Amino acid sequence: EIVLTQSPATLSLSPGERATLSCRASQSVSSFLAWYQQKPGQAPRLLIYDASNRATGIPARFSGSGSGTDFTLTISSLEPEDFAVYYCQQRSNWPGTFGQGTKVEIK
Amino acid sequence: EVQLLESGGGLVQPGGSLRLSCAASGFTFNTYGMGWVRQAPGKGLEWVSAISGRGSNSYYADSLKGRFTISRDNSKTTLYLQMNSLRAEDTAVYYCARQPYYFDYWGQGTLVTVSS
Repeated sequence: EIVLTQSPATLSLSPGERATLSCRASQSVSSFLAWYQQKPGQAPRLLIYDASNRATGIPARFSGSGSGTDFTLTISSLEPEDFAVYYCQQRSNWPGTFGQGTKVEIK
Repeated sequence: EVQLLESGGGLVQPGGSLRLSCAASGFTFNTYGMGWVRQAPGKGLEWVSAISGRGSNSYYADSLKGRFTISRDNSKTTLYLQMNSLRAEDTAVYYCARQPYYFDYWGQGTLVTVSS
């Protein structure tokens, strides 16, 4: 089983700051990695798929990069609605596994 | 508009059974893989099970050890999860999601509580 490790566990930032989240895979997943956002009491929402493609309706301030074992989700300038938990998920070994999440909280 | 609506959750005693349903609309159901993902209270996401569009292939998390069965009725555009021999650690919100490759649409979730 491919294990995804996300860091940091919690990121404390202010609105307008840049957020950089990391996801590392225990073995190569090529570019088969997605990012999800989850707000309290809501279902997750797909943000990024295949490492760097924004899903439908996702603002341009969200971007993804990486391949192989190291991936990054960047939020260029945090909006109030961006404070949430973010998960990565790989589909290299379908149907895939999730990372443990990174919480982006207001500083 | 894609919609996924789960039902069937509730309180069940340890060792009991429950069947979850997920009614789908707004897309051609039989052309998409579907899956179940759960989230224990205060915890992260855990993939549970998935099934191919025609229902010919199904997949399960190793931790389930044969207790859960996924199925679908394409004529009713409904996904199911039969859960047997339930344990306290199965307590979670269960989400159904459309899964062509990634989980692109999610239901609102249904809470399953296993407790005596």
